[in-house]
Amino acid sequence: QSVLTQSPSVSGAPGQRVTISCTGSSSNIGAGYDVNWYQQLPGTAPRLLIYGTTDRPSDVPDRFSGSKSGASASLAITGLQVEDEGDYYCQSYDRSLSAVLFGGGTRLTVL
Amino acid sequence: EVQLVETGGGLTRPGGSLRLSCAGSGFTVSRNYMNWVRQAPGKGLEWVSVLYSGGSKYYAESVKGRFTISRDTSRKILYLQMDNLRVEDTAIYYCARSRDKNDFWTFDRWGQGTLVTVSS
Repeated sequence: QSVLTQSPSVSGAPGQRVTISCTGSSSNIGAGYDVNWYQQLPGTAPRLLIYGTTDRPSDVPDRFSGSKSGASASLAITGLQVEDEGDYYCQSYDRSLSAVLFGGGTRLTVL
Repeated sequence: EVQLVETGGGLTRPGGSLRLSCAGSGFTVSRNYMNWVRQAPGKGLEWVSVLYSGGSKYYAESVKGRFTISRDTSRKILYLQMDNLRVEDTAIYYCARSRDKNDFWTFDRWGQGTLVTVSS
């Protein structure tokens, strides 16, 4: 069981908006450490989607956005596209464990 | 263009050893924080180890004492020496570059991965 908790799955129709949550604790997200999000499409390596909780690499469309409140973070995807189907992982650092943490991942299905 | 290419994966028995390599191009491996991340079949991502540009090394508890991260500066290659392998070490191993020193857990470039299978 991951220290960063994500819902196993989420789904939406093309064009809709979905959110993926990531719940941590006072030793990681709640301690002020930034959250990153990665997208892993089927059969490919992970790709950085959001860094520093809210920032996007230049090649990531603005349909993807990140936010944080307390010890939880969220990834929002608007204008869902079929090619968005895949797994999404949150990530942060834990000062108690002195380790980089990943959430368990959320499988996005575009109906 | 920044690229990372992992090699060295394969099949080995429990208790065996493997050395993974990650060749970097388009940037200077030794000036960046470099990581190994693994993904067991059908499972999520697990951070394994980091090598700071200054030489400090850190490991996940699950591999501490069995895995060693290192680099060859002249050949721009990152290594992961894996000893006393266990069945649960079976995974795709990715090499990943940290974006910068201040948030070294942000991995902005990933290799394509190399599969390690530990089985009797």
